[in-house]
Amino acid sequence: DTEVTQTPKHLVMGMTNKKSLKCEQHMGHRAMYWYKQKAKKPPELMFVYSYEKLSINESVPSRFSPECPNSSLLNLHLHALQPEDSALYLCASSQDNGAQQSYGYTFGSGTRLTVV
Amino acid sequence: QKEVEQNSGPLSVPEGAIASLNCTYSDRGSQSFFWYRQYSGKSPELIMFIYSNGDKEDGRFTAQLNKASQYVSLLIRDSQPSDSATYLCAPRTFTGGGNKLTFGTGTQLKVEL
Repeated sequence: DTEVTQTPKHLVMGMTNKKSLKCEQHMGHRAMYWYKQKAKKPPELMFVYSYEKLSINESVPSRFSPECPNSSLLNLHLHALQPEDSALYLCASSQDNGAQQSYGYTFGSGTRLTVV
Repeated sequence: QKEVEQNSGPLSVPEGAIASLNCTYSDRGSQSFFWYRQYSGKSPELIMFIYSNGDKEDGRFTAQLNKASQYVSLLIRDSQPSDSATYLCAPRTFTGGGNKLTFGTGTQLKVEL
């Protein structure tokens, strides 16, 4: 299995809703990432989990809450989002989060989120 | 100054030609450099990486790295219409919290018949 699976593929939510995005990988990767990508822009890093612990938070608003229940699973809990949070949310994983230089990220297909 | 700069394009090349994509980065702590391809509406797909100065070849793709000039490039030989996509340069930096990829704005490549 060489895939990162994200669900749902599409999500429409109201500003008062609570929803969660799910990401799963079975490649034995020990680092997992959340990126946000707006139209015509590059992916922007939100969070990094290394060995199931949050290691990087790129000053993301608290209405986004990540969770890593185990080494294969990564969630992003959403609450009280704004319309400007509408974007493609990408999950990625890599073999290691250490200093080894050759580990690239494998991306999931993303969740396209619309906040109304 | 942006951390990672790329020409946004579009870069148009005829089928069979060589496409040259360039990237400059500001963080001298960047250790390795990744090139991703992203088709419209899809997620990024890893093409190749490089971490030593010089050239690295993989099939039709050649990555070039010059750390002194903080410059990375990607050459695509024998360009095909299926190569039409946005190409993202991503330096990898190791921080105290771990490593992260920071993406450039991407170059849109159009390969014309």
